Amino acid sequence: GAGVSQSPSNKVTEKGKDVELRCDPISGHTALYWYRQRLGQGLEFLIYFQGNSAPDKSGLPSDRFSAERTGESVSTLTIQRTQQEDSAVYLCASSLAVGGEQFFGPGTRLTVL
Amino acid sequence: AQTVTQSQPEMSVQEAETVTLSCTYDTSESDYYLFWYKQPPSRQMILVIRQEAYKQQNATENRFSVNFQKAAKSFSLKISDSQLGDAAMYFCSHSGNTPLVFGKGTRLSVIA
Repeated sequence: GAGVSQSPSNKVTEKGKDVELRCDPISGHTALYWYRQRLGQGLEFLIYFQGNSAPDKSGLPSDRFSAERTGESVSTLTIQRTQQEDSAVYLCASSLAVGGEQFFGPGTRLTVL
Repeated sequence: AQTVTQSQPEMSVQEAETVTLSCTYDTSESDYYLFWYKQPPSRQMILVIRQEAYKQQNATENRFSVNFQKAAKSFSLKISDSQLGDAAMYFCSHSGNTPLVFGKGTRLSVIA
């Protein structure tokens, strides 16, 4: 079956603009995760969803970041008033249940000019 | 708090040789899973191997095997007969009833 997909694959935006990143998880996966990965660095956990609920939002870097998930399916990560330090690859993953093996999407590379 | 530590930021290995990547973790849970993920330059994260904590037998997947020491909370990855395609970032991770916690990664270079 299809894996996790993310769109767009690349996004270039100007400082101060808002961006939306989309993640389509594997069908039937109840858990969905967002990570940020700066160049050459490890994974920075942002937020996860159990169904449509986000039990832990403490990883979001600032109030400019928000995420939602609908229909226990697609999720959107929104970054408002983007800053240059937001430039990174944003990875999405899904798993059958929280704590299980995660299947990753190809990521969205965000560049803020 | 759950943590995962990878103490080797970079490693290198000659083609066809064996290399071991180290990982230690901390958890208060008794039932959990451990994973090694590979991230090649294409940036696609791929699961390499997984280990259930309740299993004493070390997991193996072809050229990849682990040395799981539960009491020491150690979970190292051994890559045998290294190939050029093994060059990548390797992330150790741990999970239980909470989302996966990842280490900072080890960059593996394979020398021809």
